[in-house]
Amino acid sequence: DQQVKQNSPSLSVQEGRISILNCDYTNSMFDYFLWYKKYPAEGPTFLISISSIKDKNEDGRFTVFLNKSAKHLSLHIVPSQPGDSAVYFCAALWGSGGSNYKLTFGKGTLLTVNP
Amino acid sequence: DTGVSQDPRHKITKRGQNVTFRCDPISEHNRLYWYRQTLGQGPEFLTYFQNEAQLEKSRLLSDRFSAERPKGSFSTLEIQRTEQGDSAMYLCASTRGSQKTEAFFGQGTRLTVV
Repeated sequence: DQQVKQNSPSLSVQEGRISILNCDYTNSMFDYFLWYKKYPAEGPTFLISISSIKDKNEDGRFTVFLNKSAKHLSLHIVPSQPGDSAVYFCAALWGSGGSNYKLTFGKGTLLTVNP
Repeated sequence: DTGVSQDPRHKITKRGQNVTFRCDPISEHNRLYWYRQTLGQGPEFLTYFQNEAQLEKSRLLSDRFSAERPKGSFSTLEIQRTEQGDSAMYLCASTRGSQKTEAFFGQGTRLTVV
């Protein structure tokens, strides 16, 4: 049962254009969402997060949008750069007061930014 | 370097052998997680510790797997009688306290069972 879904295994964009990576979730208990970037043979690196009380969070070229009613979030990268080429994982978190806070990940989207 | 450290980075072992991996979390982080990632999948939760207490184990963690964090600092993950299906990247992550915050990952240990 895949609670976090990234339905696009890959995405290719031109340098300088916008990259939009999508993520859907099914568990309405999730209340904190994160995006990680992963290069081959390395661990995931945290990019940006958003709490369920917000609908947008921005950090430099990266913006995450959350649509709670649709259980959908997206990561926008503008402008895209060749160094952004990596696998991007969407992850979700829930837990309350001292209970487990474990990340549930999607399968990832391979982003390729062409020069 | 004050990030999460994992050792070894790569391990090749014969089927049936035991292997042990080590993770050193960020020093002030009291929560430590183990994940496993296979090709084409996202990281899958295995187990986590708050200080030295192991608070949750995934059903993915069969009896052949054991994890410890004896002093609430570094952790070890042991796999006994390895099988080819255990081949994967084993990732360790740490985070601080009980707040919802990002987990910081190590570079992983790539296990290949031949």
